[in-house]
Amino acid sequence: NAGVMQNPRHLVRRRGQEARLRCSPMKGHSHVYWYRQLPEEGLKFMVYLQKENIIDESGMPKERFSAEFPKEGPSILRIQQVVRGDSAAYFCASSPDWGQGFQETQYFGPGTRLLVL
Amino acid sequence: KQEVTQIPAALSVPEGENLVLNCSFTDSAIYNLQWFRQDPGKGLTSLLLIQSSQREQTSGRLNASLDKSSGRSTLYIAASQPGDSATYLCAVRYGGATNKLIFGTGTLLAVQP
Repeated sequence: NAGVMQNPRHLVRRRGQEARLRCSPMKGHSHVYWYRQLPEEGLKFMVYLQKENIIDESGMPKERFSAEFPKEGPSILRIQQVVRGDSAAYFCASSPDWGQGFQETQYFGPGTRLLVL
Repeated sequence: KQEVTQIPAALSVPEGENLVLNCSFTDSAIYNLQWFRQDPGKGLTSLLLIQSSQREQTSGRLNASLDKSSGRSTLYIAASQPGDSATYLCAVRYGGATNKLIFGTGTLLAVQP
C-alpha cells in the first residue's frame, strides 16, 4: 500500500502565475487534509475534504486559494495569481473512514515545496 | 483560542541520554493527541497517537503521556541515537465535524554521536 503521494515535489512559479498541487491519498482513504508550513513557522491547517465535499475550509485564505477532491482522481490545491508570500511547503494528509475505536491517524505525504519568484 | 506550544524549541544531547519533550495545549477538551517526527525537507512520520481516554502510549524507545486536566503531553525518548535527530511535532485534534490537527511549534532535536 503506497503512502500518500504528492506532486510535484518542487514547484517554481513567477508572481501572477497559477500553482496546482496534487495529492493522491493512501488506498482506501476518503479523507484528505491540506496543511501549509511557512518558513520558520509551524504547520497550519488549510482545508479538510471528503470525496467531492469540502468539510472544513476555515484555514484557507479567502482569495486565490481553492481545493477539490473529485470522485475520481487526486485532490488538487490551486493557488491563483501567486505572490511571494505563498512560498511554503504544502503538505497533504489522508485518513481512512473511522469507526468506533478506530485510531484516526493522519498519514502525511512528502510535501510540495512552492517557490514564488 | 486553541493553541499548542512545545518546549524547548531546540535541544542538543549526547548519544545515549534519555530525554523528554514537552507539549502543552490551551483547551483541554481534546479528542486525541499525536506526536510526529519531521526530517529536514521531508514529510511527517506519525510516532504515537493517544486518545483522550488514554494516559500513555509506547512504541519501542518512545513513550508518550497525556494529562488532559493540566493540558500537557510529554514524549520520552530512551537511549537516544544520532538517528533520532529531527524536529518533533505534537498535534492536537478537538472534537466536532472537523478532523483538523492543530500543531505545536516543534522541538528541534540534535543527538550528538
